[in-house]
Amino acid sequence: AAGVIQSPRHLIKEKRETATLKCYPIPRHDTVYWYQQGPGQDPQFLISFYEKMQSDKGSIPDRFSAQQFSDYHSELNMSSLELGDSALYFCASSLGLAGSSYEQYFGPGTRLTVT
Amino acid sequence: QKEVEQNSGPLSVPEGAIASLNCTYSDRGSQSFFWYRQYSGKSPELIMFIYSNGDKEDGRFTAQLNKASQYVSLLIRDSQPSDSATYLCAPHRGSGGSNYKLTFGKGTLLTVNP
Repeated sequence: AAGVIQSPRHLIKEKRETATLKCYPIPRHDTVYWYQQGPGQDPQFLISFYEKMQSDKGSIPDRFSAQQFSDYHSELNMSSLELGDSALYFCASSLGLAGSSYEQYFGPGTRLTVT
Repeated sequence: QKEVEQNSGPLSVPEGAIASLNCTYSDRGSQSFFWYRQYSGKSPELIMFIYSNGDKEDGRFTAQLNKASQYVSLLIRDSQPSDSATYLCAPHRGSGGSNYKLTFGKGTLLTVNP
């Protein structure tokens, strides 16, 4: 079965640079979530989109922005990168219909290293 | 009180034993409960979800939910070394048309010893 696709898998950037992470949800899934996981930490919710509209927002820095496109893929844009942004970034997708169990399936993640 | 609390690890069990993982949550509006398994450096993998009080069994895994006590657990029978991972509990509010984040517990590191 098709899974969530994330690209790139690894990314190395310098401080103050920008980065763009991409997420392609499971086919027919209309909801995308972004999570950040620092070393030894549990995943922290950043932001989510349902039917191309922002549906929820968590602890996402103002330096970050995201959107969901007409084909349901999503991009997380990160600017003025800081050392503390080094983490695993996961995208998850779900089918957001009433009556659904809303299971979220995670992609393999993008490992971002800021030097 | 933290939103999601899991039994502190690490938890170590011998191969073939039953591993018991516990989770309490503070949001009474939570409707669904997910258990994820995460190997080091890998993404969380959904292994069970439950939304009704009682037990739900899937192979060697049994999830138990008690909404009145705000408690959910995961039992792993016949534990295998390949079950060694961090297990994350995540309650979910669930709402038609608009979806909500997962708030994870800190996770319980399980080690199954051969």
